[in-house]
Amino acid sequence: GAGVSQSPSNKVTEKGKDVELRCDPISGHTALYWYRQSLGQGLEFLIYFQGNSAPDKSGLPSDRFSAERTGGSVSTLTIQRTQQEDSAVYLCASSRAYEQYFGPGTRLTVT
Amino acid sequence: RKEVEQDPGPFNVPEGATVAFNCTYSNSASQSFFWYRQDCRKEPKLLMSVYSSGNEDGRFTAQLNRASQYISLLIRDSKLSDSATYLCVVRGDSSYKLIFGSGTRLLVRP
Repeated sequence: GAGVSQSPSNKVTEKGKDVELRCDPISGHTALYWYRQSLGQGLEFLIYFQGNSAPDKSGLPSDRFSAERTGGSVSTLTIQRTQQEDSAVYLCASSRAYEQYFGPGTRLTVT
Repeated sequence: RKEVEQDPGPFNVPEGATVAFNCTYSNSASQSFFWYRQDCRKEPKLLMSVYSSGNEDGRFTAQLNRASQYISLLIRDSKLSDSATYLCVVRGDSSYKLIFGSGTRLLVRP
């Protein structure tokens, strides 16, 4: 079946602009997660959704970062006033139980 | 101290070799354990779950030692295609959050 999809696959933006990253989870997966991975680094947890609620936003680095999920499906991660340190690969994962399945990620470059 | 620690490697082994990675975790209440594989510039992919009794999937064997709080992954008869970064992953005492190690890099040479 279809896996987790993310769009765009690559995004280059100028410092100070806003960006929106999209995640389509696996159908039927109620949990959705956003992570960030900088070059050569491990995965950094950002936010977790159960249905449309976000019980854990503890990983969002600043108030420039926000995320929402609608219809228990698609999620959007928004970064306002992007900074160069926001450059990274943003990964989305979904799960029905404990095993998480990842999308291909969005590579964000802030110039 | 990191919640999940791994030797970053790289482990450089010839084809056909047996290689083992270890990982330690700090939270004794951790509930579930996994190994993920991540190829260069790709997303992590689930390799196998790790069960208390140990489990095997083809050339891959995973072991869990709760008393010492470590997890191991053994790869037998290494293939070139096994070259990747192997991520040790632990679910804490919450119902959802996975903690990822920084990964161990494996290079299998001809």
